Amino acid sequence: GNSVTQMEGPVTLSEEAFLTINCTYTATGYPSLFWYVQYPGEGLQLLLKATKADDKGSNKGFEATYRKETTSFHLEKGSVQVSDSAVYFCALINTNAGKSTFGDGTTLTVKP
Amino acid sequence: GAVVSQHPSWVICKSGTSVKIECRSLDFQATTMFWYRQFPKQSLMLMATSNEGSKATYEQGVEKDKFLINHASLTLSTLTVTSAHPEDSSFYICSALGDQETQYFGPGTRLLVL
Repeated sequence: GNSVTQMEGPVTLSEEAFLTINCTYTATGYPSLFWYVQYPGEGLQLLLKATKADDKGSNKGFEATYRKETTSFHLEKGSVQVSDSAVYFCALINTNAGKSTFGDGTTLTVKP
Repeated sequence: GAVVSQHPSWVICKSGTSVKIECRSLDFQATTMFWYRQFPKQSLMLMATSNEGSKATYEQGVEKDKFLINHASLTLSTLTVTSAHPEDSSFYICSALGDQETQYFGPGTRLLVL
């Protein structure tokens, strides 16, 4: 079956620090990969995505590359801001199988 | 664009009663919608995949007779928690599948069963 494993949190960083949140997956077929973010008091929203191997998703300074050989989709940002404090979820979807699978979420707190 | 609403946003009910939660895609049509429970430690558990015009596909361990899902139209899916018990208290979130397999999430429904 499908599964997503992401780095446990919580993660606490100082402003302007470098961020990496690891995400690895197992899946049948060729899933699309996503990072969703949940800001305090808000619903989940798409941060970035990649639909095939070697694609790089990017948004708001965040990046993640779909690595088929290592089955990974690690989230990175070069310089985090206080406003990036949120819960980040790695997810995959395999629509042929009707499956959507989320990681457990990683809480990021950025301190000024 | 791509807004998904849920109603109600929160509900308190007595044990043994049934509760219906609606999920609507407001500005796009969604053949597929998903229903999740979000647990206190943040993880989302997929409950079922709802496809318009067909029966929902339930994940292992999710009782289909307890969590009734109806995807009546391309903009509406409902989740009915039948004979609710305190252990059903949770945060229920729906999503609608849009372009390029992107999910658009509703704001969630907080259910408290007394």
